[in-house]
Amino acid sequence: QVQLQESGPGLVRPSETLSLTCTVSGDSIITYYWSWIRQPAGKGLEWIGRIYDTGITHYNPSLNGRITLSVDRSTNQFSLKLTSVTAADTAVYYCARGPHYYGSVTWAFDIWGQGTTVTVS
Amino acid sequence: QSALTQPPSVSGSPGQSVTISCTGTSSDVGNYNRVSWYQQPPGTAPKVIIYEVSNRPSGVPDRFSGSKSGNTASLTISGLQAEDEADYYCCSSTDRATWVFGGGTKLTVL
Repeated sequence: QVQLQESGPGLVRPSETLSLTCTVSGDSIITYYWSWIRQPAGKGLEWIGRIYDTGITHYNPSLNGRITLSVDRSTNQFSLKLTSVTAADTAVYYCARGPHYYGSVTWAFDIWGQGTTVTVS
Repeated sequence: QSALTQPPSVSGSPGQSVTISCTGTSSDVGNYNRVSWYQQPPGTAPKVIIYEVSNRPSGVPDRFSGSKSGNTASLTISGLQAEDEADYYCCSSTDRATWVFGGGTKLTVL
C-alpha cells in the first residue's frame, strides 16, 4: 500500500528556511499531484501547495511567495521549502497525495503522512 | 484566501444524527463539486471520509453522508457512535486552482 513519510529538522531559527521532504513508498510518484498541509497546535488545517510529477505547482497565495515545492522522480520524493519563517510557521506539517481527477478517490487528499512537527524558535 | 466556515463544535448522543455545515462562496464551494471531508481523531493524521460532495471511499461506513446546496456543503453522521468523536474538516477547490479548508468542527459524542 502507498505510504508517505515526512522528514526534516524539527527546529528552525526565525528568518531561516524550513525544508522538508516527503518520501513516497509503495507506488510511483509519477502521474499524481502531491500536497503539503500544515496544522498549528490546536488549530485547523491549512493547505500550503501542490506539485505534479512534471513540476507544475500551485501555491497558497496567503503564504506570500515564500514557498517552493520540488519533486525528484529518481528518489520518489517531493520537497517543501518555506523561507523567512516566523513563530507563526510553527506547526505539524503533513504531506499528502492529491487532489487529482482520477483514481479511486478523486479531488481529495486520499493518503496522508503521519506528520512532522516543526518549531520555529 | 479565507477559510471555509464551520461551526466550532457539535454534539450528539449515541444513535442520534448530527450535521456539520461548511459555508464558502461562489468562488469555491458554490462553483465546484470538489468538496471533501476529513475526520481527525486526536493525535492522528486526517482521513478522507467524503469526496466530491457525497462519495464515500471504500471502507467508510454509510452512516457518513455528504451533500451541497449553493455555497454550503454538509456532512451528516447518522447513528452516532463513540468512535466518531473527532475533529472534522471540509475542503474545497477554488477559482484560483488552490484548495481551502474549513476551520474544523469538534464532534462530541455525549
